[in-house]
Amino acid sequence: ILNVEQSPQSLHVQEGDSTNFTCSFPSSNFYALHWYRWETAKSPEALFVMTLNGDEKKKGRISATLNTKEGYSYLYIKGSQPEDSATYLCACLNTGFQKLVFGTGTRLLVSP
Amino acid sequence: EPEVTQTPSHQVTQMGQEVILRCVPISNHLYFYWYRQILGQKVEFLVSFYNNEISEKSEIFDDQFSVERPDGSNFTLKIRSTKLEDSAMYFCASSEEPYLMTEAFFGQGTRLTVV
Repeated sequence: ILNVEQSPQSLHVQEGDSTNFTCSFPSSNFYALHWYRWETAKSPEALFVMTLNGDEKKKGRISATLNTKEGYSYLYIKGSQPEDSATYLCACLNTGFQKLVFGTGTRLLVSP
Repeated sequence: EPEVTQTPSHQVTQMGQEVILRCVPISNHLYFYWYRQILGQKVEFLVSFYNNEISEKSEIFDDQFSVERPDGSNFTLKIRSTKLEDSAMYFCASSEEPYLMTEAFFGQGTRLTVV
């Protein structure tokens, strides 16, 4: 059974703080990892799709790394802004399957 | 920017009634999915669909559920006889490539409340 875990469950930071969250997953049969940003009342929006061990991706102030051998991914936000407030979901895909298995998400609140 | 649209945004139905949730995927996408999130729980996979047939489904997707692409643009999820435990936010998604090597695009969801 593929179980994806995220920590922390929630996080409250001040504007300008940098922060990071963790997604952990079983390393066997790994195929891909997706990060999504989900604001209330909006669609989950893809941030990154990562497949290779050691992958690092960046989009503006947000970046992510992937370690498939030990089964974790980090998402970093540099200089958090109030508009970064959202739930950040990671989802894992195993070889041969078409379903994303989601973690519980990390709810980020950035105060001005 | 192309987007996945879902209707209705909120549906309230009585237990035992049939509901149809509708989705319009992005037009050049070929792979379609339904997910749901029961309040307080993880987003969970229901079904994937390609070339007019189900390619994968979860244990949740029993005989009460069905999917259809009736006209080449809409993608629907039908629940034949709703139960209280079907209350959830239902998300439609589509992708360009198989096996989700690229991102999935999600709709805003339909909140289904079964009373």
